[in-house]
Amino acid sequence: QKEVEQDPGPLSVPEGAIVSLNCTYSNSAFQYFMWYRQYSRKGPELLMYTYSSGNKEDGRFTAQVDKSSKYISLFIRDSQPSDSATYLCAKPAGGTSYGKLTFGQGTILTVHP
Amino acid sequence: NAGVTQTPKFRVLKTGQSMTLLCAQDMNHEYMYWYRQDPGMGLRLIHYSVGEGTTAKGEVPDGYNVSRLKKQNFLLGLESAAPSQTSVYFCASRPGLRVNEQFFGPGTRLTVL
Repeated sequence: QKEVEQDPGPLSVPEGAIVSLNCTYSNSAFQYFMWYRQYSRKGPELLMYTYSSGNKEDGRFTAQVDKSSKYISLFIRDSQPSDSATYLCAKPAGGTSYGKLTFGQGTILTVHP
Repeated sequence: NAGVTQTPKFRVLKTGQSMTLLCAQDMNHEYMYWYRQDPGMGLRLIHYSVGEGTTAKGEVPDGYNVSRLKKQNFLLGLESAAPSQTSVYFCASRPGLRVNEQFFGPGTRLTVL
């Protein structure tokens, strides 16, 4: 079982919709989680990170962790065409980390006008 | 400040050929990582380095070698390319363990025929 599982989608929504992106994880040893955004033919960029203590909000984006169900979510409010990208959840890798991250498969999101 | 750069951007190889991918960062980061990204698989760690002169295996190291002779450069080598190595390769760097973020390069698209 992968440490992080993510539904690859693709997900297509109209502009203005609320988007929910989700991941499940299997190792509870680490206490922070990250969301990276990757535009087409670009490298991933850190969008948000959150510690496993509730929600974190940044503009239209909210990251949420549910420790009891080992579920992490990213919500996008008032989605825009510019939000069209692949979204990757990540967490520190198990064992001796050395800063390694384990990524989910990525969810491809398209927001159409 | 260019951040993380990767050379080349695209390459087509024949089975059995060799090549080296170059990653360079000008941020004085200690940690560097090589990933490959395949459809539906997310980012998978190939090799990583925790400092100049050090390298270690990641999740999918077979068929690849790496070197970090200078702090700013991390080289990924394919000695005898195989079609299974067709992928997009990303390099990332991280200042140290106190900073959670990995900074990614733009990627190299490699096709092995």
